[in-house]
Amino acid sequence: AQKITQTQPGMFVQEKEAVTLDCTYDTSDPSYGLFWYKQPSSGEMIFLIYQGSYDQQNATEGRYSLNFQKARKSANLVISASQLGDSAMYFCAMREFSGNQFYFGTGTSLTVIP
Amino acid sequence: EAQVTQNPRYLITVTGKKLTVTCSQNMNHEYMSWYRQDPGLGLRQIYYSMNVEVTDKGDVPEGYKVSRKEKRNFPLILESPSPNQTSLYFCASSYRGSSSYNSPLHFGNGTRLTVT
Repeated sequence: AQKITQTQPGMFVQEKEAVTLDCTYDTSDPSYGLFWYKQPSSGEMIFLIYQGSYDQQNATEGRYSLNFQKARKSANLVISASQLGDSAMYFCAMREFSGNQFYFGTGTSLTVIP
Repeated sequence: EAQVTQNPRYLITVTGKKLTVTCSQNMNHEYMSWYRQDPGLGLRQIYYSMNVEVTDKGDVPEGYKVSRKEKRNFPLILESPSPNQTSLYFCASSYRGSSSYNSPLHFGNGTRLTVT
């Protein structure tokens, strides 16, 4: 079974609008972390935001927030007020307590339209 | 500046010619790992290392070797590259402690390898 599922291969959003990128995960470990990374066309991987399994509040980092629904095992990334520079691939990832492996989704390609 | 340094950024080689991609981190991280990224498949782990002299296979280890003789370095070796190893490769490192699951991976800038 896939540990991380991203069901949206591609998304479009109008500049200044908000967009939600979906991520669901599968684990039986009660302790885990969820991460989102951005990969612009230049190729580097940029860490955006983290959510821990025991965190009561949704994580926020500037225009990024994580909509964490533990019972549904979902960790959706919300980007508010989209900018042209947000056009990139976005990857959801999970790390379990054992910490031996990070599991990545297949990514969502986001295009921001002027 | 805290960083993971990978070299080279681009590499074109021929089938069977041994090559090494270097990776070095200056954050004193215990955990280091190699990934390959292919369209539609996301990032797949090749090998990882929990500490010096401790390495283990990831999901796609065939055709690759690694070593971890020093904490900061984790080179990826392709003894006999083949065209199906053409890919974008990333080295990454992370803290590994009692709460390591909350530590993000720090990535190098990637190595784009083409094997003809």
